[in-house]
Amino acid sequence: AQSVTQPDIHITVSEGASLELRCNYSYGATPYLFWYVQSPGQGLQLLLKYFSGDTLVQGIKGFEAEFKRSQSSFNLRKPSVHWSDAAEYFCAVGSTSGTYKYIFGTGTRLKVLA
Amino acid sequence: DAEITQSPRHKITETGRQVTLACHQTWNHNNMFWYRQDLGHGLRLIHYSYGVQDTNKGEVSDGYSVSRSNTEDLPLTLESAASSQTSVYFCASSVASGNNNEQFFGPGTRLTVL
Repeated sequence: AQSVTQPDIHITVSEGASLELRCNYSYGATPYLFWYVQSPGQGLQLLLKYFSGDTLVQGIKGFEAEFKRSQSSFNLRKPSVHWSDAAEYFCAVGSTSGTYKYIFGTGTRLKVLA
Repeated sequence: DAEITQSPRHKITETGRQVTLACHQTWNHNNMFWYRQDLGHGLRLIHYSYGVQDTNKGEVSDGYSVSRSNTEDLPLTLESAASSQTSVYFCASSVASGNNNEQFFGPGTRLTVL
């Protein structure tokens, strides 16, 4: 069955520290991969996406993610976290069979300490 | 600028009442989706549509219905609201074209069923 796992429900980091949010997926082929961010009371904003090609993907707000086929992972990273990065982050897998549907992970809530 | 809007943003209703949540997009996207967001579950797909007169059930469709009479709108109806349907509801849309299945999200509707 297709699934997305975000093993960390909550993560707390200090401002200026590096960040890595984990995402593992189960899918029959290489899927489309997405990271979204949700600020409190807001909708979801796309941070970055992977369709094919270069496995290191750059996104907005200084985020990047690396696709590792052998580990079925698509971890999100940021070298230096800002207080404004406090939010909930969702990893999603998109169908490559033309159905356009997503499967979302359960999310990771990031807290940033000043 | 193109956008996707949802109304109302907050709704309180009583058990057994019919409720309709509106979703309107000006992207001219063929694909539209409804999700619910619950703690510990991330976003789960309720219904989706690939175009006018097309509707499909998602993984948590029981108790919900949608209709698509034009490209811009996909209203979500709760036929007889239940307390288990208290949630935050998100509408999304995407273009139906090859690899580009990035979904754009509305701001959400917080529904409370008493």
